[in-house]
Amino acid sequence: DIQMTQSPSSLSASVGDRVTITCQASRDITNFLNWYQQKPGKAPKLLIYDASNLEAGAPSRFSGSGSGTDFTFTISSLQPEDIATYYCQQYDNLPSFGGGTKVEIK
Amino acid sequence: QVQLVESGGGVVQPGRSLRLSCAASGFTFSGYAMHWVRQAPGKGLEWVALISYDGGTKYYADSVKGRFTISRDSSNNTLYLQMTSLRAGDTALYYCATGTTAMAIFDYWGQGTLVTVSS
Repeated sequence: DIQMTQSPSSLSASVGDRVTITCQASRDITNFLNWYQQKPGKAPKLLIYDASNLEAGAPSRFSGSGSGTDFTFTISSLQPEDIATYYCQQYDNLPSFGGGTKVEIK
Repeated sequence: QVQLVESGGGVVQPGRSLRLSCAASGFTFSGYAMHWVRQAPGKGLEWVALISYDGGTKYYADSVKGRFTISRDSSNNTLYLQMTSLRAGDTALYYCATGTTAMAIFDYWGQGTLVTVSS
C-alpha cells in the first residue's frame, strides 16, 4: 500500500496570503496525484488532477506541482470561501488519501 | 448533469449486515469504474472499494476485505455495497464516487449515506 503523508494538518492564514500544503508519497507515484477540497457537511470536490492540472471550473488561484514522491498544493491568494479541508490522493496503485489539511482564516 | 444518490444507511448492531445503494444518472454508468469512499465522523477520507466498468474486476481496502462486497447493476444504473460483520470502526459517511477523466480521479461524488454501528 502507498502511504500519503500530508502536512501541515492545519494552518491559519490571512486573506490574501499564499498558502502551501505538501504531500509525500511512500514511493514513486509519477504524477498520479489529485487534490480535493471539502467544506463542512459537503462531499469532496476535485480541484487538481494529475499533480498540476486544474479541474474545469476551479479558480485559477489553486495550483499543484510535483512528481515522484513530493507534491505541493498552493492557494496563491487565500479567500474567505477557501476555508475547508484539503486532501491529496494518489492513484498509482489502489487509491489512498492523505490525512487532510484544515485551512482557517487568521 | 451527473448525479450520484446514496441510500441504505442507518443504525445497525455490531456483527449485522447492511446494503448501501448508489443510484447514478446523467452519464453512461456502464462505461465507468465506480468506487466507495468513507469518512468516519471528524476524520479523513478512506477509500473502500472499486469495481470496474463491467463489474469484472473488484478491489477492496484491507480494512474491509472479506466483509464487504461491491457490485453493480447496469440495467438500473445502481452501485451497491454489501457490508457484513459490521464493526464500530465501520461507522462513517459512505460516499460513492466515479472518475470520468480517469478511473480514480474522483470528479463526481454523491452526498453520502451515514452508517452507524452501535449496540
